[in-house]
Amino acid sequence: DADVTQTPRNRITKTGKRIMLECSQTKGHDRMYWYRQDPGLGLRLIYYSFDVKDINKGEISDGYSVSRQAQAKFSLSLESAIPNQTALYFCATSDDGTGTDTQYFGPGTRLTVL
Amino acid sequence: QKEVEQDPGPLSVPEGAIVSLNCTYSNSAFQYFMWYRQYSRKGPELLMYTYSSGNKEDGRFTAQVDKSSKYISLFIRDSQPSDSATYLCAMIAGNNRKLIWGLGTSLAVNP
Repeated sequence: DADVTQTPRNRITKTGKRIMLECSQTKGHDRMYWYRQDPGLGLRLIYYSFDVKDINKGEISDGYSVSRQAQAKFSLSLESAIPNQTALYFCATSDDGTGTDTQYFGPGTRLTVL
Repeated sequence: QKEVEQDPGPLSVPEGAIVSLNCTYSNSAFQYFMWYRQYSRKGPELLMYTYSSGNKEDGRFTAQVDKSSKYISLFIRDSQPSDSATYLCAMIAGNNRKLIWGLGTSLAVNP
């Protein structure tokens, strides 16, 4: 079984709809991240959480919110989806931030907003 | 100016070629330099890392860091079609522990 799982893997929705992307991990890591990846723009950090009670905005948090339900679960919500939120979304985890802070990524969710 | 610059390519080479992938950076506080590999429809995975300056070799892959020039490289020897992927550089500074990513370079190795 994969260490970091994301659901759904693909989603097509309409402008204005509320969408939730879910991430679960079995690695036992405290740190979790949400990124979006766009052609020509690379990976951009949306939100990150260093433990259940710690939530931080990344570089592009506008239009998104998150919930850290447990150490193993971190959800990303789009309250009112818009077309420029069409992207590939990745969840990632890391250990305690020492050394390289190696991040382990899920398989991604491809979101299309029409 | 972005903290980390990486040419997105695409780069296309024949099988067996030596590939050179590069990133430049502006923050002299970076201490760890990583290369992640991302296959199509997958998340990135750590390929290798280097601490501070110098070289590190792992099989056909060699990572180099030149801190005086703020330049890092990944060399792939005897490239194989299975090396076709996007390669992302990433760096982290000892003080704030924030990982900074390059855009990624798309590589195609043609049989």
